[in-house]
Amino acid sequence: QKEVEQNSGPLSVPEGAIASLNCTYSDRGSQSFFWYRQYSGKSPELIMFIYSNGDKEDGRFTAQLNKASQYVSLLIRDSQPSDSATYLCAVSPSGGSYIPTFGRGTSLIVHP
Amino acid sequence: DTGVSQDPRHKITKRGQNVTFRCDPISEHNRLYWYRQTLGQGPEFLTYFQNEAQLEKSRLLSDRFSAERPKGSFSTLEIQRTEQGDSAMYLCASSLGHDMGSEKLFFGSGTQLSVL
Repeated sequence: QKEVEQNSGPLSVPEGAIASLNCTYSDRGSQSFFWYRQYSGKSPELIMFIYSNGDKEDGRFTAQLNKASQYVSLLIRDSQPSDSATYLCAVSPSGGSYIPTFGRGTSLIVHP
Repeated sequence: DTGVSQDPRHKITKRGQNVTFRCDPISEHNRLYWYRQTLGQGPEFLTYFQNEAQLEKSRLLSDRFSAERPKGSFSTLEIQRTEQGDSAMYLCASSLGHDMGSEKLFFGSGTQLSVL
């Protein structure tokens, strides 16, 4: 059973702070990693993806991947109330069908 | 490009009835996925199509569930003899399917099913 683990939260941070969201996965052969944002009552929206060890930055978002530790994280700098949402980590295995497996998501609350 | 479209947005049905949902993917996308999501959980994989071929089904998927994608365009998901445990958000997603291992999914708005 390939698993993706996330703390359900909620993670509460003040406006302007850095929010750090974490995800671990069980399949060591996984090769693609995604972060989706899901607002309450809405469907998931892809915000970041990363394939190689290290950091990938896109605006206020940074994805970090450590394959040896089977760990992927998402940093949100200068958090805004509009960032309040559930953040879903998804992992695609190597080979086979590449079907993404999702974690349960971490609820983020950014308070003014 | 209007994105992934799902219909209906909401469906209320009585236990034992059959329901059918429709998904229209982004036009150039070859892959189409069905996921199910319940409150507080992440999307759970149900099945996917590469063009018109249904290539994989979740082993958790009951035989009451069936999906089709005729001609590799829109897809339908049918649930027969619905049960209260089927109540969930049914999400459809599509992807280009050209770059294996980098499946960026684009989700529709989902169909919220309530079984009374």
